[in-house]
Amino acid sequence: SQQGEEDPQALSIQEGENATMNCSYKTSINNLQWYRQNSGRGLVHLILIRSNEREKHSGRLRVTLDTSKKSSSLLITASRAADTASYFCATDAGGYNKLIFGAGTRLAVHP
Amino acid sequence: GAVVSQHPSWVICKSGTSVKIECRSLDFQATTMFWYRQFPKQSLMLMATSNEGSKATYEQGVEKDKFLINHASLTLSTLTVTSAHPEDSSFYICSAPHGRAGDEQYFGPGTRLTVT
Repeated sequence: SQQGEEDPQALSIQEGENATMNCSYKTSINNLQWYRQNSGRGLVHLILIRSNEREKHSGRLRVTLDTSKKSSSLLITASRAADTASYFCATDAGGYNKLIFGAGTRLAVHP
Repeated sequence: GAVVSQHPSWVICKSGTSVKIECRSLDFQATTMFWYRQFPKQSLMLMATSNEGSKATYEQGVEKDKFLINHASLTLSTLTVTSAHPEDSSFYICSAPHGRAGDEQYFGPGTRLTVT
């Protein structure tokens, strides 16, 4: 069963603006991951953040994790039209490397 | 990086027929693979864990007799949708764990199944 909630469900911004997506989960985790999915395609791994980490960066991506609030955020800075996609958080709460996905945020970046 | 492929990328079948979807890890071995389904504009729902050399483990609510999983080698898992019905139409995605602790997942490109 899905354990994560993400907000917003949809986000529409202009190129150059920052996009922030949030994810909440319900049980304890070892790590949380963010994935990107272009329409009708497979998932691309963006970042993995472990439970003992609070923040992680990768290029224009910044991920935070607050285990006390059971929440994470993904920030995409200086967005581009090519960033248009759905973004999902996933936790390892399923155990044995099973991933439980959040509902996802559909991001649209307009030129 | 690690690559996972799926075949076919899309398939259309008639109601009542069976369809087999293959998931391959191309440059690494995977003793475990995962199968997900995704309905339009929804998230991925884990269906089952495919285990090489043993029976698959199904998530609650997933019919094991309808979704047959075989993991006959360290690089191949297959999902067979038996007696398909229109409500089985969906996007099926597989993944395989990789990396230091197996916590990095590599996903296949997905298979779009349409049952008419």
